[in-house]
Amino acid sequence: GQNIDQPTEMTATEGAIVQINCTYQTSGFNGLFWYQQHAGEAPTFLSYNVLDGLEEKGRFSSFLSRSKGYSYLLLKELQMKDSASYLCAVGDSNYQLIWGAGTKLIIKP
Amino acid sequence: IAGITQAPTSQILAAGRRMTLRCTQDMRHNAMYWYRQDLGLGLRLIHYSNTAGTTGKGEVPDGYSVSRANTDDFPLTLASAVPSQTSVYFCASSVRAGDLDTQYFGPGTRLTVL
Repeated sequence: GQNIDQPTEMTATEGAIVQINCTYQTSGFNGLFWYQQHAGEAPTFLSYNVLDGLEEKGRFSSFLSRSKGYSYLLLKELQMKDSASYLCAVGDSNYQLIWGAGTKLIIKP
Repeated sequence: IAGITQAPTSQILAAGRRMTLRCTQDMRHNAMYWYRQDLGLGLRLIHYSNTAGTTGKGEVPDGYSVSRANTDDFPLTLASAVPSQTSVYFCASSVRAGDLDTQYFGPGTRLTVL
């Protein structure tokens, strides 16, 4: 079967760095997305990785290792507004997205 | 309209009733999707449409139907609602189909079936 695993919840301190991991087992691989979802709101796109390595975009970076079925999202200089759920999604062989349950990130002052 | 709109925002529905959730996008995106989001589970694809006039079944299509008469609209119908269909429903769209592309989500419809 297809499976995306992420930690359910993480806590971090304002100004710090946090790494959210995602491991996946899917039928085929056609890229990995990270989305951010604030409580009661729609998911919004953060990043996309299709090749191994690190993609940096401001305070957010995303890493992919296809051989290990592993990705992480790195958030630097955490701000209170970063409190949200972070969703990992993998494109399978049919180019459909398989979604993880999301990681709820709590930022404390 | 800017982006994707969904209606209603929330609804309480008696079991057995018919309900249509509306979704409209003004970005001229080819592909549109319906997902449900339940606590502790990832987004699950109900139905999708690669282009106007075509639809396909996702992971959890039973009890739902869709139509795509034009580019902008993609309504989701529950023919006879059951309590297990209580969920938050998100409509999404992307520029291309048949290829991975960023999906843009509507604000969601919170549906409660009693």
